[in-house]
Amino acid sequence: ETGVTQSPTHLIKTRGQQVTLRCSSQSGHNTVSWYQQALGQGPQFIFQYYREEENGRGNFPPRFSGLQFPNYSSELNVNALELDDSALYLCASNYVGFGTDTQYFGPGTRLTVL
Amino acid sequence: SQQGEEDPQALSIQEGENATMNCSYKTSINNLQWYRQNSGRGLVHLILIRSNEREKHSGRLRVTLDTSKKSSSLLITASRAADTASYFCATDASGGSEKLVFGKGMKLTVNP
Repeated sequence: ETGVTQSPTHLIKTRGQQVTLRCSSQSGHNTVSWYQQALGQGPQFIFQYYREEENGRGNFPPRFSGLQFPNYSSELNVNALELDDSALYLCASNYVGFGTDTQYFGPGTRLTVL
Repeated sequence: SQQGEEDPQALSIQEGENATMNCSYKTSINNLQWYRQNSGRGLVHLILIRSNEREKHSGRLRVTLDTSKKSSSLLITASRAADTASYFCATDASGGSEKLVFGKGMKLTVNP
């Protein structure tokens, strides 16, 4: 167990809808990253939040947005869903500051867009 | 874009055998990590090797890193059926970015 949880486990949406995915980080972790993993591929970095501010973004459009809260929870929001958004969404948390680089992943949310 | 490429893409072995998987990457790195993923679920961190290290051990795992060749290998000794999973290498690019860049992964099947 990594101490990182995600909800919901599975989600089915239709094209054009909006979705919010949630992540609860390990207590004390000040950084959360979100990744998208398409079937048969490795995870792709979406963005990272450090102390509630966006701290880097991958090659994803602005309809992917996020929030990080002081209570170690965070959200990934996707607007105007497209079929290609169907994937496993993973969040990962870590503490930046003590030289530890290991990111701890949650179990993921599988999103299906119909 | 994918930074690392695992090789082979799939490997099937018998329990007790050793499994070796390789990873190549493209840019300078701070560290390289290996993760395991079971059945499309979350990633489990296995081992991290820093750019100034050449070899590291953790239990049945041995990782090597050759920064001149931009490559790494993961050796799992005395494999077990429970080692059946997908394995990914991930690099943390130098320059302060904390984002991980993953390869496409390698599917390991350990037959009982």
